[in-house]
Amino acid sequence: AQSVSQHNHHVILSEAASLELGCNYSYGGTVNLFWYVQYPGQHLQLLLKYFSGDPLVKGIKGFEAEFIKSKFSFNLRKPSVQWSDTAEYFCAVRSGNTGKLIFGQGTTLQVKP
Amino acid sequence: GAVVSQHPSWVICKSGTSVKIECRSLDFQATTMFWYRQFPKQSLMLMATSNEGSKATYEQGVEKDKFLINHASLTLSTLTVTSAHPEDSSFYICSARVRGLTYEQYFGPGTRLTVT
Repeated sequence: AQSVSQHNHHVILSEAASLELGCNYSYGGTVNLFWYVQYPGQHLQLLLKYFSGDPLVKGIKGFEAEFIKSKFSFNLRKPSVQWSDTAEYFCAVRSGNTGKLIFGQGTTLQVKP
Repeated sequence: GAVVSQHPSWVICKSGTSVKIECRSLDFQATTMFWYRQFPKQSLMLMATSNEGSKATYEQGVEKDKFLINHASLTLSTLTVTSAHPEDSSFYICSARVRGLTYEQYFGPGTRLTVT
């Protein structure tokens, strides 16, 4: 069965620090990869997605992610975080077969001003 | 952009009663809608996939007789929690896939259900 694993459950950073959130998935076929963000009290929003092509994907708000097929990874990065990036971040995978999104456990990011 | 709404945003009900949650795609047609459940500080667990005009497909372990899903039109899907119990208290989130665009999926704001 497909699964998604996010390594960091709770990350605390100071403003301007760099961010990298790990995401690994288990599925051997074609996948689409996503990162979603959930700000406190708000609904899920799409940060970025990877379908094919350039494995380095740029998203909104300065976020980017790199798909490394050999490592089954899709890590999220941001060079300099802001206090407003405090939120819950979810990695998700969708297989071409089912079309269903499978979410990781989520990572709580807390940015201290 | 595409907007998905849910109603109500929060509801409190007594044990044994039923609660209906609506999910609407406001500015697009959605042939497929998904229902998720999210426990505090946890991830989203897919409950079921709802296709317009056909029966929902439930994930393993989800009771279809307890969580009734209806997708009567291209813009509306409903989730009814029947005979609710305190353990059904959770955050229920729907998402809608844009018709014609296989990969675009938009999420609603969620409904907080508390069963007393």
